[in-house]
Amino acid sequence: QQQVKQSPQSLIVQKGGISIINCAYENTAFDYFPWYQQFPGKGPALLIAIRPDVSEKKEGRFTISFNKSAKQFSLHIMDSQPGDSATYFCAAPNNAGNMLTFGGGTRLMVKP
Amino acid sequence: DVKVTQSSRYLVKRTGEKVFLECVQDMDHENMFWYRQDPGLGLRLIYFSYDVKMKEKGDIPEGYSVSREKKERFSLILESASTNQTSMYLCASSLTGVGSYEQYFGPGTRLTVT
Repeated sequence: QQQVKQSPQSLIVQKGGISIINCAYENTAFDYFPWYQQFPGKGPALLIAIRPDVSEKKEGRFTISFNKSAKQFSLHIMDSQPGDSATYFCAAPNNAGNMLTFGGGTRLMVKP
Repeated sequence: DVKVTQSSRYLVKRTGEKVFLECVQDMDHENMFWYRQDPGLGLRLIYFSYDVKMKEKGDIPEGYSVSREKKERFSLILESASTNQTSMYLCASSLTGVGSYEQYFGPGTRLTVT
């Protein structure tokens, strides 16, 4: 059974700062690691995903860094904005590749 | 625009009642999922369906059952609701294969069992 450990549980960042959320997974035969973003009252939505044939993927202010040997990946939000305030979930596929196991979530608050 | 809808946003039920949560997707996705979301525990998979009438248990199936009679509809059933099933329930759908990591979620149903 896949386990995904996410930290921190909550994070407060000043506007313009960098938000960093970390995840560690146990084992997977598959090669994609998504991050989901959830605003209050909404379901989670895919934010960005990485395949571990690359060590980093950047989309705008959001960057995923991946360390395959350490089985860790992280989300960096550059120039954090109040509109980024949300809960973020990392996920890893199970060994069959048909389900995702989600981390415990990080509640991010970006102060103006 | 892709859409996953859930039958209720808020639901209050009594202990011992049978509860049905309905989910409908309009994207012709093969996979559908039911999760529960609790603070600090993230999203935990209850059941997964990869085709009509096909299902697999997730991490926490105890006390729940599911039904998928049509491709677009996936129901979660609490046979006899208990207070520890008070939670936010999220339905999701996805394609199979390479697209399976992108799950589309509904807005959730907040269930309170008293």
